[in-house]
This record gives sequence, C-alpha cells and structure tokens, in this order.
Amino acid sequence: KAGVTQTPRYLIKTRGQQVTLSCSPISGHRSVSWYQQTPGQGLQFLFEYFSETQRNKGNFPGRFSGRQFSNSRSEMNVSTLELGDSALYLCASSLDSANSPLHFGNGTRLTVT
Amino acid sequence: GDSVTQMEGPVTLSEEAFLTINCTYTATGYPSLFWYVQYPGEGLQLLLKATKADDKGSNKGFEATYRKETTSFHLEKGSVQVSDSAVYFCALSEGAGNKLTFGGGTRVLVKP
Repeated sequence: KAGVTQTPRYLIKTRGQQVTLSCSPISGHRSVSWYQQTPGQGLQFLFEYFSETQRNKGNFPGRFSGRQFSNSRSEMNVSTLELGDSALYLCASSLDSANSPLHFGNGTRLTVT
Repeated sequence: GDSVTQMEGPVTLSEEAFLTINCTYTATGYPSLFWYVQYPGEGLQLLLKATKADDKGSNKGFEATYRKETTSFHLEKGSVQVSDSAVYFCALSEGAGNKLTFGGGTRVLVKP
C-alpha cells in the first residue's frame, strides 16, 4: 500500500512569490492535515480537510490556504511568500475512524530567499 | 489553548541504557495522547498512543502511561539500541478531527 506522497520534495522560491504544495493521501483515507515544521516553532498545525471541507484550522495568516479534491488529494497554497515561511511542510492522512492514526508523508522542504 | 511541553534534548545515551523522556500537557478536556518518532531522513511515525486516563501505550519496547492527575505522558524504554536514535515528539489531540498539538521534540542519540 503506497504511503502519503508529497510533491515536490524541495522547492526554492523568492520572497513575494506564491507556491502550491501537493499531497496524495493513502488510498481510502479521507482526512488530510497539513503541518509546518521549523527549528524555532517546531510542528504547528495548519489545517485539516475532510470530504473536501475544511474541518479544523490553525493560527496561520490568510496567506496560507488549502483545498481538498473529490479524490481526497489535497493542495496547500502560500501567497506572498516571506522568509519566515521557509520550513518543512508535512501532510498527514487518516481513515478518520475512531482511534485511527495519522500517517505522515516525508514533507516538502520550502526555502524562501 | 492546548499545549504540550517535553524535555529538551539532545539526550545522549549508551546502548542498553534506560531512556525516559518527560512530557506534560495542558488541555481543556480529555485529550488523546501520542508519541511520534522521526528517524533521520524519514517522516513522522506514530510510536504509541493512549486515549484515556491510566491507559498504557506500548510499541517496540517503548511505553507511556496516560496520567491524568499529573497531566503527563512520559515515554520510557528499558534498553535502548543505536537504531532508537531519532527525534521523539509528544502530542495531543482533542475534539473532533485530527488536529494534533505537538511538543518541541526531543533528539535522542544512542552511542554503541
């Protein structure tokens, strides 16, 4: 069974640009969550989607947005990039049944210059 | 809001030593508690979990007990191996959905 796939693995962007990251969940998983990992702030929750609807949202500015498609694949978008957006962005999927664990992808490493 | 505090690393141990990583939490209700592990170059993996007070999660020789009275979920392993070198994250989940609140992570280095 294929795991959570995130593309691309690495990305370099310039301040002010926008970026789109993609996540393909494990087959059958309908919940997809996104996290930002930085050395200073650690792992922080961005948002969660379930059946194409945003179910939970973290404390990030509106420049961070996401969506989920009918096949459960998800994308997150960051507009007007800032240097502080440099991070490892992790996607996780889940069956969303009681006690089902999150399965994380290997992440997309975004560098903003 | 919810928060998780875990001991800062790095923790350096010799093989076969006893490992403890402290984790305490703050939550408004009755969260589920987790330990995740991140091996070098890999993504986060669930190590163990507990969903209610006094539950003990265990996996790969690691154990942690959900202590509601002390709001703690300390991770222990009796005899570590070099392959246990990784970053360990304590986390909680409360309410509907899959929003995890993570601690800052503890890097563990096991030397042969």
